[in-house]
Amino acid sequence: TQLLEQSPQFLSIQEGENLTVYCNSSSVFSSLQWYRQEPGEGPVLLVTVVTGGEVKKLKRLTFQFGDARKDSSLHITAAQPGDTGLYLCAGFRGDSGGGADGLTFGKGTHLIIQP
Amino acid sequence: DVKVTQSSRYLVKRTGEKVFLECVQDMDHENMFWYRQDPGLGLRLIYFSYDVKMKEKGDIPEGYSVSREKKERFSLILESASTNQTSMYLCASSLWHGSGYQPQHFGDGTRLSIL
Repeated sequence: TQLLEQSPQFLSIQEGENLTVYCNSSSVFSSLQWYRQEPGEGPVLLVTVVTGGEVKKLKRLTFQFGDARKDSSLHITAAQPGDTGLYLCAGFRGDSGGGADGLTFGKGTHLIIQP
Repeated sequence: DVKVTQSSRYLVKRTGEKVFLECVQDMDHENMFWYRQDPGLGLRLIYFSYDVKMKEKGDIPEGYSVSREKKERFSLILESASTNQTSMYLCASSLWHGSGYQPQHFGDGTRLSIL
């Protein structure tokens, strides 16, 4: 099983600060997804990155896929209390050819933004 | 809007019971997945299915089985429940695509307690 290591595991910061969450692996992934999960709900997809070096922006969130497609980062600018949640990265190996393999998930980063 | 519905939000069962967790999706997705989510361990794939009556083992299939008799329904079965199967169970579905990196749509989870 390929592993995705997320860091930090827990992060509590004040509203308005910036932060970066990391997702690292020794293995190559054909694509990587970021999900956010709120208490009592299932994860919801934020973004998919496919190309090495790709950068995608979603309002104040910036996602980057490493050049070698082994790592990714999520940067949040001017964090707000509504950003609070569990952030999960998930890698897709893409070697099945059929798109049916389950994703390999990192253990997640618990993010708390304090007002 | 896409919808993945899990039959129960909370379930309490006794050791040795046969337990059924049901999941229904209304998006005509080919792929369906069962994960369990535990603190410190993240999401781990139990089983997935890419077509009716087809199933594939994930990373932790021991003690579980699945059934997919209809495209929209994917059931997880605990043959003889044990206390170490107390967990949050998440069902997901995705569209089949040759490139594989379709987003997974999750239900809100079933919190199962085995006494």
